[in-house]
Amino acid sequence: QQQVKQSPQSLIVQKGGISIINCAYENTAFDYFPWYQQFPGKGPALLIAIRPDVSEKKEGRFTISFNKSAKQFSLHIMDSQPGDSATYFCAASRGYQKVTFGTGTKLQVIP
Amino acid sequence: DARVTQTPRHKVTEMGQEVTMRCQPILGHNTVFWYRQTMMQGLELLAYFRNRAPLDDSGMPKDRFSAEMPDATLATLKIQPSEPRDSAVYFCASGPAGGEAFFGQGTRLTVV
Repeated sequence: QQQVKQSPQSLIVQKGGISIINCAYENTAFDYFPWYQQFPGKGPALLIAIRPDVSEKKEGRFTISFNKSAKQFSLHIMDSQPGDSATYFCAASRGYQKVTFGTGTKLQVIP
Repeated sequence: DARVTQTPRHKVTEMGQEVTMRCQPILGHNTVFWYRQTMMQGLELLAYFRNRAPLDDSGMPKDRFSAEMPDATLATLKIQPSEPRDSAVYFCASGPAGGEAFFGQGTRLTVV
């Protein structure tokens, strides 16, 4: 049973455009929703995270939107840059235990 | 600059051999995770420890995999005997109590 569903699998965005990645979860006990960024040959690195008591969190060009009733959350990358090209994983957990990852989105930002 | 250190970074071994992967968590972190990453399955949690005690290893094939923390500065993941389907990147991550996990750079394992 896939507890965190992520889409799209891949995404190509023009430089300066907005990248949007969507995730849906099933377990209502989840209370922590991080996004990780992974470059080739590296481990995932925490990018931004949100708890369900807020509907949006913004850090620089990265924004998480959270819809608790729909059990969905998304990552928006504003003014996308070639350096943002990486694989992005949404995730969910109860507290910081046993983080369940989505399947990943490979983002390519073209000049 | 505190980081999670994994060794070796790359390992090629023959089917049937024992493989040991090591992880040095960030000093002061009391939670350690082992993940496996493949193209087909993505990131799978194999096991995690808190204060060196195993909390959950339900994601780990019990017949051939074992994970231990001999002390607070070392976590190990062993595969015996290894099989070609074990080929993957294995990540260790550590985190403080009530905090986010930080990942190492991984061990790329190839079993031929």
